[in-house]
Amino acid sequence: GAVVSQHPSRVICKSGTSVKIECRSLDFQATTMFWYRQFPKQSLMLMATSNEGSKATYEQGVEKDKFLINHASLTLSTLTVTSAHPEDSSFYICSAGPRGASTGELFFGEGSRLTVL
Amino acid sequence: KQEVTQIPAALSVPEGENLVLNCSFTDSAIYNLQWFRQDPGKGLTSLLLIQSSQREQTSGRLNASLDKSSGRSTLYIAASQPGDSATYLCAPGGNQFYFGTGTSLTVIP
Repeated sequence: GAVVSQHPSRVICKSGTSVKIECRSLDFQATTMFWYRQFPKQSLMLMATSNEGSKATYEQGVEKDKFLINHASLTLSTLTVTSAHPEDSSFYICSAGPRGASTGELFFGEGSRLTVL
Repeated sequence: KQEVTQIPAALSVPEGENLVLNCSFTDSAIYNLQWFRQDPGKGLTSLLLIQSSQREQTSGRLNASLDKSSGRSTLYIAASQPGDSATYLCAPGGNQFYFGTGTSLTVIP
């Protein structure tokens, strides 16, 4: 199957700093990528849909100025958590599907665990 | 917004049993439905993808069915093994993909 890579897998930062998480599709192009966050023992919550070359579409209740998403190329989307606070600590996962694929299958990265001290 | 429910929330079975996981969703206007497994602290691994025009898909010991009109899908696992222990998630695929809370499966050796 297609491969989606996330980096970093773990990050610890101080409160007030900004953290960038990268999501790359390694062997396919993706016009759309999805960003999720997951709290312990809970399911994935869709944060936003990242569209290549245009603004991301955020889900209701997700602060766009807090979670900046950039999808500058067909293989890379980034999520920046700005002025991070302890409540932003979570598991962030991205997903993407091959461009033009008729199946619409999604592939997921391994996730990035953010801990804000 | 799509609402996804998975039943049961948790399941513990002895090795070798066959089991069924259930997924229901509110918006039947989907392109496909995908089943995933998630191991603790890991990302999601795709198990099966069913297109909206299909009724079921099979991969090894896994069989997934889809009844799009009634908003339901089931994942059947045959002859369960301890390595099947994980959280199973379904995601109806529309313009976005929303998840339910999953079923946490424990297979006891």
